[in-house]
Amino acid sequence: EDQVTQSPEALRLQEGESSSLNCSYTVSGLRGLFWYRQDPGKGPEFLFTLYSAGEEKEKERLKATLTKKESFLHITAPKPEDSATYLCAVLTSGTYKYIFGTGTRLKVLA
Amino acid sequence: DGGITQSPKYLFRKEGQNVTLSCEQNLNHDAMYWYRQDPGQGLRLIYYSQIVNDFQKGDIAEGYSVSREKKESFPLTVTSAQKNPTAFYLCASSISRGRASYNEQFFGPGTRLTVL
Repeated sequence: EDQVTQSPEALRLQEGESSSLNCSYTVSGLRGLFWYRQDPGKGPEFLFTLYSAGEEKEKERLKATLTKKESFLHITAPKPEDSATYLCAVLTSGTYKYIFGTGTRLKVLA
Repeated sequence: DGGITQSPKYLFRKEGQNVTLSCEQNLNHDAMYWYRQDPGQGLRLIYYSQIVNDFQKGDIAEGYSVSREKKESFPLTVTSAQKNPTAFYLCASSISRGRASYNEQFFGPGTRLTVL
């Protein structure tokens, strides 16, 4: 069964304290892996798409990487405004269905 | 500006009532999706549509219905058969190419439904 697991469930960081969020997946064939940011009471906001192992994408303080089994979202020198829930999703080969993890709730303290 | 709109933002339903949530997009996307989000759970797929006049059940379609009469619109009806409808509902769209879409989804702002 296709599955996506995110860890940790929650993470508290001090401002400037870099860390990584993990998204591990078991799928029959990966067509794409997606990262989103979601603020409370709002819809998810698209961050990155990764298609193949070894691929990396960067945007400001965020960097997403992909291996054959997992993806990491690295946050460098985070600021309080980076506080949000980060969601990971995969799209498997031959389907139209995106499978979402339960997310990591990130809190960055000033 | 292109985007996805959902209305209303908040919706209250009495027991036994059907309610319809609106979703409109002007991104010219072929594919549209409805998800339900509950605290501590990932997004769960209710229905999806790859093309006008065609849609498929997702993982939790019981108690819900949809229509796709126009490319821009994908309304969701929560029927009285849905026993626990209180949740945050999200609509999304994506470009669909060929037999399978491999593009990111764009989400609307969500509708929070509460049963009184």
